[in-house]
Amino acid sequence: ETGVTQSPTHLIKTRGQQVTLRCSSQSGHNTVSWYQQALGQGPQFIFQYYREEENGRGNFPPRFSGLQFPNYSSELNVNALELDDSALYLCASSLPGTGLVRQYFGPGTRLTVT
Amino acid sequence: KNEVEQSPQNLTAQEGEFITINCSYSVGISALHWLQQHPGGGIVSLFMLSSGKKKHGRLIATINIQEKHSSLHITASHPRDSAVYICAVRLETSGSRLTFGEGTQLTVNP
Repeated sequence: ETGVTQSPTHLIKTRGQQVTLRCSSQSGHNTVSWYQQALGQGPQFIFQYYREEENGRGNFPPRFSGLQFPNYSSELNVNALELDDSALYLCASSLPGTGLVRQYFGPGTRLTVT
Repeated sequence: KNEVEQSPQNLTAQEGEFITINCSYSVGISALHWLQQHPGGGIVSLFMLSSGKKKHGRLIATINIQEKHSSLHITASHPRDSAVYICAVRLETSGSRLTFGEGTQLTVNP
């Protein structure tokens, strides 16, 4: 149990729709990272938020956007869903810094786009 | 070529066997993580390393910074160790984000 929660657990959407995924960070963690994990692959970094500001972005198009709130919970929004967006979406919270900073992962949201 | 490569991709062992999973990376890193992912998706952090060796129960992780290589060992493997094991690195140039390997699917048979 990491203290990081995500909702919903599972979601089915149709191509072209929009989706919002939610993450509640571990208490005191002001940094959250979002990852996309396609079936059989390792997670890929989408972006990171630190104190409500985007703090780094991976190779994902602008239709992937995020928000972080003052209580450090966050959202991942995906517009104009495509079939390839079907994946497990993971959020991870941490304290800021480099080096040996542990990330605490949520259980993930499994998104299926049909 | 991925920045983080793991081997093997799949590994099947008998209960009690000693298991080694390898991770190689091609860039400078500030830390390396070994993670465990069970069916259903949840990821648990096993180790964080920047040098040397760490041990927790039956798990041992080592890293050789000069050779850009890390290994995860499981002694006296058990069926409950069956999971995907993922190596992830924090690049020197990428702040706190992690770059992941593809994972190693471990199955331990009784």
